[in-house]
Amino acid sequence: SAVISQKPSRDICQRGTSLTIQCQVDSQVTMMFWYRQQPGQSLTLIATANQGSEATYESGFVIDKFPISRPNLTFSTLTVSNMSPEDSSIYLCSVAVGGINQPQHFGDGTRLSIL
Amino acid sequence: KNQVEQSPQSLIILEGKNCTLQCNYTVSPFSNLRWYKQDTGRGPVSLTIMTFSENTKSNGRYTATLDADTKQSSLHITASQLSDSASYICVVSGTTDSWGKLQFGAGTQVVVTP
Repeated sequence: SAVISQKPSRDICQRGTSLTIQCQVDSQVTMMFWYRQQPGQSLTLIATANQGSEATYESGFVIDKFPISRPNLTFSTLTVSNMSPEDSSIYLCSVAVGGINQPQHFGDGTRLSIL
Repeated sequence: KNQVEQSPQSLIILEGKNCTLQCNYTVSPFSNLRWYKQDTGRGPVSLTIMTFSENTKSNGRYTATLDADTKQSSLHITASQLSDSASYICVVSGTTDSWGKLQFGAGTQVVVTP
């Protein structure tokens, strides 16, 4: 198991600004993931962040818009850049602990509203 | 097209009653199927995870079934409690060697009323 802390838990931001979301895990993990959950919809994987390598982005997500850092095995950040109202969403950090048939653990998310 | 379809979208049940949620998937090849519970304002929490060879798994009052031949799963909640009010998400892992490649259903919103 793993305990994940995300900061901030929520924020209201102005159009055109950027926000960095932090994800702290209470144990060392290799695989960390960033998801987006739009209102009433399922989770969508933004990128996979492994320590020591560049993040791997899913189709529809680019590094310029969602830069990710993974400086060590317990921490990662996701930045939402040049925000627009379409970026209003919940952003969740997740980690995989154990084998492929073990559950992923999620943080409580960051609720982002863009005015 | 979403490869994981859940039904119903939402349901309301009386406290103490049972209910069953459905999940159909087309993801292939299949590695495992997971059910998560997501309370409002919280991240998803794992309830069960089943591999191809497992056809039932329980976690307290939650029982999940899997029919890999028909690509269907169900989540049964027994003797519902007010705390069961949440979104229940079916998640399928479609590969055997790739982390995080999960296909998420849209969830079933369950409301338990007194």
